[in-house]
Amino acid sequence: AQTVTQSQPEMSVQEAETVTLSCTYDTSESDYYLFWYKQPPSRQMILVIRQEAYKQQNATENRFSVNFQKAAKSFSLKISDSQLGDAAMYFCAYRPPYNTDKLIFGTGTRLQVFP
Amino acid sequence: EPEVTQTPSHQVTQMGQEVILRCVPISNHLYFYWYRQILGQKVEFLVSFYNNEISEKSEIFDDQFSVERPDGSNFTLKIRSTKLEDSAMYFCASSVAGSQETQYFGPGTRLLVL
Repeated sequence: AQTVTQSQPEMSVQEAETVTLSCTYDTSESDYYLFWYKQPPSRQMILVIRQEAYKQQNATENRFSVNFQKAAKSFSLKISDSQLGDAAMYFCAYRPPYNTDKLIFGTGTRLQVFP
Repeated sequence: EPEVTQTPSHQVTQMGQEVILRCVPISNHLYFYWYRQILGQKVEFLVSFYNNEISEKSEIFDDQFSVERPDGSNFTLKIRSTKLEDSAMYFCASSVAGSQETQYFGPGTRLLVL
């Protein structure tokens, strides 16, 4: 079965520092998609970053980057120069490659940012 | 930037009552989804909808659930006879197309069944 695991229920970081949120997944597929979503207290779940498994290059979006280790089935999110507005729940999600549109989510990591 | 919207933000209902949760997907999107998150648990897929029919559903999506696109803008989830275990946050999402396209989520409706 395809599963997504986020082993850190909560993380905290000081403003301007860097934090890494971990995510591992289990799949027998070779082609798939991975996502990080952010859910601030206002509740709108926002796409942070996405990675296609066939791409070796790690995705980057401004201060957000991923460390995609396909062999290890690991997809961690690095937030650089953390800002107070980064405080949110972060969900890692996996999408199988074929015959399905569903996302499989992890349990989430709550990130607190301290000034 | 266009967003997925959902109403109501909160709903409280009595067990056995019917509820309808409403969503307005992004206007040029063709695929629509419902997910739910029971408190403290994972976000779980319920159903996907395309071309006015269900394209995929999970084992959670039993006969008590139904979805509809009653007009050109709304996408609804109906729970016919709510149970206590239906209490959850329900998220609507939409995407331009299926498979490879990113899903954009609404803010959710928190449903509490008493």
